Amino acid sequence: GENVEQHPSTLSVQEGDSAVIKCTYSDSASNYFPWYKQELGKRPQLIIDIRSNVGEKKDQRIAVTLNKTAKHFSLHITETQPEDSAVYFCAASRWNSGYALNFGKGTSLLVTP
Amino acid sequence: DTEVTQTPKHLVMGMTNKKSLKCEQHMGHRAMYWYKQKAKKPPELMFVYSYEKLSINESVPSRFSPECPNSSLLNLHLHALQPEDSALYLCASSQVGSQKLFFGSGTQLSVL
Repeated sequence: GENVEQHPSTLSVQEGDSAVIKCTYSDSASNYFPWYKQELGKRPQLIIDIRSNVGEKKDQRIAVTLNKTAKHFSLHITETQPEDSAVYFCAASRWNSGYALNFGKGTSLLVTP
Repeated sequence: DTEVTQTPKHLVMGMTNKKSLKCEQHMGHRAMYWYKQKAKKPPELMFVYSYEKLSINESVPSRFSPECPNSSLLNLHLHALQPEDSALYLCASSQVGSQKLFFGSGTQLSVL
């Protein structure tokens, strides 16, 4: 089955700096790559996603890039703010998997003022 | 309505109890999911329902019994659970073919 590796497991940045989280996947048939943000005690919240026919997608301070050849995708957060502190999960899914998501192990991001 | 609602938010049960978790959505989604999440770990898929039929069971023990009585509701019946089953149970839904999941807030379950 699909194996999603996520790095780093923890990341600490100063407010205003950029943060980058990287994921690799093993199944070349995966075609959908979402990123979820989960604050302590809350639901995972979809913050951005990308499909395999697109190389990059941006939404204000958040961007995701996909390299299909290398089978990796990354989340970029610019101008980080303390409220960006949370656990971020990447995931991968293939179209005929019953739409099940395979999650990475998560990155705990801490943004210090 | 763009929310997935789960009840109860918290549940404490003994190992001999029978309880049920409930999930409801009114977004017209015909795919619904149960995930289990332990602290500081990613969500793990348990079950997938598509058009009210069970399509994926990730080898979940029979003490967990899912039910999808209609297109808006998803239940998870619990019986004879073990302390290691304590976790956050997340429901999610999506349009069939969308892959974009919307998660509920979860039920924090403690088994004593």
